[in-house]
Amino acid sequence: YVLTQAPSLSVAPGRTATFSCGGNNIGSKTVHWYRQRAGQAPVLVIYYDSGRPSGIPERFSGSKSGSTATLTISGVEAGDEGDYYCQVWDVSGLVVFGGGTKLTVL
Amino acid sequence: QVQLVQSGGVLKRPGASVKVSCKASGYSFSSHGFSWVRQAPGQGLEWMGWISGYNGKTNYAESLQDRVTMTIDTSTSTASMELRSLRFDDTALYYCARDLGDYVLDLWGLGTLVTVSS
Repeated sequence: YVLTQAPSLSVAPGRTATFSCGGNNIGSKTVHWYRQRAGQAPVLVIYYDSGRPSGIPERFSGSKSGSTATLTISGVEAGDEGDYYCQVWDVSGLVVFGGGTKLTVL
Repeated sequence: QVQLVQSGGVLKRPGASVKVSCKASGYSFSSHGFSWVRQAPGQGLEWMGWISGYNGKTNYAESLQDRVTMTIDTSTSTASMELRSLRFDDTALYYCARDLGDYVLDLWGLGTLVTVSS
């Protein structure tokens, strides 16, 4: 099972960053999102498609439609830079990460 | 303090085995499982498998199931991952992560660097 993410995304501060994660029949799977800053371990930013863990700002939101899951960061800040990974799982035990998208804040 | 503390980095020869440990503290060990995730240099994340912190039940990635074994020791609140028959492309940073269920990984260790070199 392959999850497709764009390799890079560049956004100016204050604008909106939109990350896509494409996969076959992703609508039937659960999607989580992680941010990994350079040299650090990943951090959960969205779970169960659109849930936001405590400590993650409301600027982060998730959605899913058709064959694509989307992570949106509104009002992008310099501290949002990093690699963003989507992860899916389904009841068969399949667990897969996407290839990641590197966010650069201009 | 809720944290996962992993064992230190190691250098291994091709064909050898490596065991990485992950000691949990600050929460009830048996209430959650653990996923192991690795990251080759400059590459993305690869899920390796999951183990229940309650009963040791496992779910391994198909690509690794012949070479990986995950275990728990509830007496020391430690999860471990052993990878056998190491190859050069097993060189990676190996992370353990607390799994809240449904593979929601909310707490990560700092990673253990495993280098496979002759």
